[in-house]
Amino acid sequence: EAQVTQNPRYLITVTGKKLTVTCSQNMNHEYMSWYRQDPGLGLRQIYYSMNVEVTDKGDVPEGYKVSRKEKRNFPLILESPSPNQTSLYFCASSLGDSSYEQYFGPGTRLTVT
Amino acid sequence: GQNIDQPTEMTATEGAIVQINCTYQTSGFNGLFWYQQHAGEAPTFLSYNVLDGLEEKGRFSSFLSRSKGYSYLLLKELQMKDSASYLCAAIMFSGGYNKLIFGAGTRLAVHP
Repeated sequence: EAQVTQNPRYLITVTGKKLTVTCSQNMNHEYMSWYRQDPGLGLRQIYYSMNVEVTDKGDVPEGYKVSRKEKRNFPLILESPSPNQTSLYFCASSLGDSSYEQYFGPGTRLTVT
Repeated sequence: GQNIDQPTEMTATEGAIVQINCTYQTSGFNGLFWYQQHAGEAPTFLSYNVLDGLEEKGRFSSFLSRSKGYSYLLLKELQMKDSASYLCAAIMFSGGYNKLIFGAGTRLAVHP
């Protein structure tokens, strides 16, 4: 089954404790993105990747890191989480220049206390 | 900047028709998506328009006018399960790449 998976789905953590949210897709998509969704603000792009080892900042990259060592995986790293990073996070993938339709993962609800 | 504007909330009655509007800045525009998102779930694809005109898909239709920077999503024969947020997203060429820019979403409540 074609899908995007994220783990964990839910996470409660404390300020400053490094964490990684994993994202994997099995559709051989070139493009992958991370979004955060907050009430009233919609989906805002954190980082995106056009291919292996090619990443770029989105609209709200501060406090986040990403890597794309393999085509299928695109982890999101919070080196020192803060309460303002409490949000619902979505990973998404798309074919790339031939189609920008985003396929979304199920979401990760992160709470930083 | 790149702005996508859509109403925050709408209400409608079961069985009725509702139109959700979306406006966007036209510079670098390469196409427009509509997604449906139920609370706490991932967005799911509804439609894609790149040329002017109406695309019909069952109870849902989407319209695009590139010259006016305007799109709408039309939902017919509303059902209770259509209560969800509807996200307008435009493909914009920026910084050397095509990027998908999302609006804040329109929360639709369907009442009996």
